[in-house]
Amino acid sequence: ETGVTQTPRHLVMGMTNKKSLKCEQHLGHNAMYWYKQSAKKPLELMFVYNFKEQTENNSVPSRFSPECPNSSHLFLHLHTLQPEDSALYLCASSQALGGGLNTEAFFGQGTRLTVV
Amino acid sequence: GENVEQHPSTLSVQEGDSAVIKCTYSDSASNYFPWYKQELGKGPQLIIDIRSNVGEKKDQRIAVTLNKTAKHFSLHITETQPEDSAVYFCAAIPGGFKTIFGAGTRLFVKA
Repeated sequence: ETGVTQTPRHLVMGMTNKKSLKCEQHLGHNAMYWYKQSAKKPLELMFVYNFKEQTENNSVPSRFSPECPNSSHLFLHLHTLQPEDSALYLCASSQALGGGLNTEAFFGQGTRLTVV
Repeated sequence: GENVEQHPSTLSVQEGDSAVIKCTYSDSASNYFPWYKQELGKGPQLIIDIRSNVGEKKDQRIAVTLNKTAKHFSLHITETQPEDSAVYFCAAIPGGFKTIFGAGTRLFVKA
């Protein structure tokens, strides 16, 4: 285990539902990330939080709403999703933002989301 | 914009042979290049990384090389084993915080 825990592991939801994904890191890191992983596509960065403050919103539709109450927890609130939003959603954390020392990302196991 | 190209998309080797995965990046400001391994049902895990002030780094059967002039970097796995079968991602970080990932290489090691 990498110290980053995501729940649930699997989620099936209808297009009119509201659900939330949860991520918790036990590594004492300051930065947390949401990524979307679709089949045969590169990992897509969605959101970045550093010290609880959002530093990046990579043009993500408003039906995805992140929340970072503290440096250890990250949520992704979902509502009125589309079938094309079905994917593996990965949470990651790092000690600091990218490029310098201690910036490698540690990933959770992901939530496999299916929108029906 | 920033881009990382990764080849091949699929690689099949016989156990004991070597495997090489190549990546190119577009942003010359990139200074950190991690490699991740993703096994079925798991999130990506960092296996090795290299920074721009180093040309090569080795860790047991895994090595990475970096050519900053050509903007190329590669992952080399020697004496492959069936447990090396996974999807491998290269990535580049252009000095900021936005990690740019390659599309991944699915490696099959046949016993």
